[in-house]
Amino acid sequence: SYVLTQPSSVSVAPGLTATITCGGNNFGSHSVHWYQQKPGQAPVLVVYDHRDRPSGIPERFSGSNSGNTAILTISRVEVGDEADYYCQVFDGSIDRYVVFGGGTKLTVL
Amino acid sequence: QVQLVQSGAEVKKPGSSVRVSCKASGGTFSSYAVNWVRQAPGQGLEWMGRIIPIMGIPQYAQRFQGRVTITADTSTSTAYMDFSSLTSEDTALYYCARDGPLAGAAFDIWGQGTMITVSS
Repeated sequence: SYVLTQPSSVSVAPGLTATITCGGNNFGSHSVHWYQQKPGQAPVLVVYDHRDRPSGIPERFSGSNSGNTAILTISRVEVGDEADYYCQVFDGSIDRYVVFGGGTKLTVL
Repeated sequence: QVQLVQSGAEVKKPGSSVRVSCKASGGTFSSYAVNWVRQAPGQGLEWMGRIIPIMGIPQYAQRFQGRVTITADTSTSTAYMDFSSLTSEDTALYYCARDGPLAGAAFDIWGQGTMITVSS
């Protein structure tokens, strides 16, 4: 089955840049999305289709991909960015459709 | 702006079934897919299935095939997720989420979540 691999945790000091990776296969044929989830809240879409931002998401959040790795970059990290982050792809084939990565806990030191 | 409002928390016995509803308000419902995603305590997100209300044909994650049934009522803008043969491992927060107009079927709107606790 299709698997998306994320690091379990990433730590960064305020003001610096956080990078969260998502490893998979054949990203070229899939759109990759990123969600932020704070404790006790529903997930929020922060990047879609690899690199686009929904309305209202700060420019500090950006997405990219390199080969079989999708990357979420958070610039000038703030304390309020501390959350779990999940990557996700939509496949559309018979037995997959939607797959989430395992999630990365971002800790702001 | 579309909002998704889910039904309230439930406690169920092992072996029983549960129905969770997800009502859309404030915008288009029928044309975009409604997905169901669950999150066990302290765990990650797991996709269960989806339906495009206007088409009425559900799609399910393989691991839930046979236990989950997703339907939609366009007249009330409500999607439903029926989940049967519950076990303690199904204790989780269940979300509905729309994959709307954004590229790649991104989940742009989420419900508030419904906690289902399975306990004897």
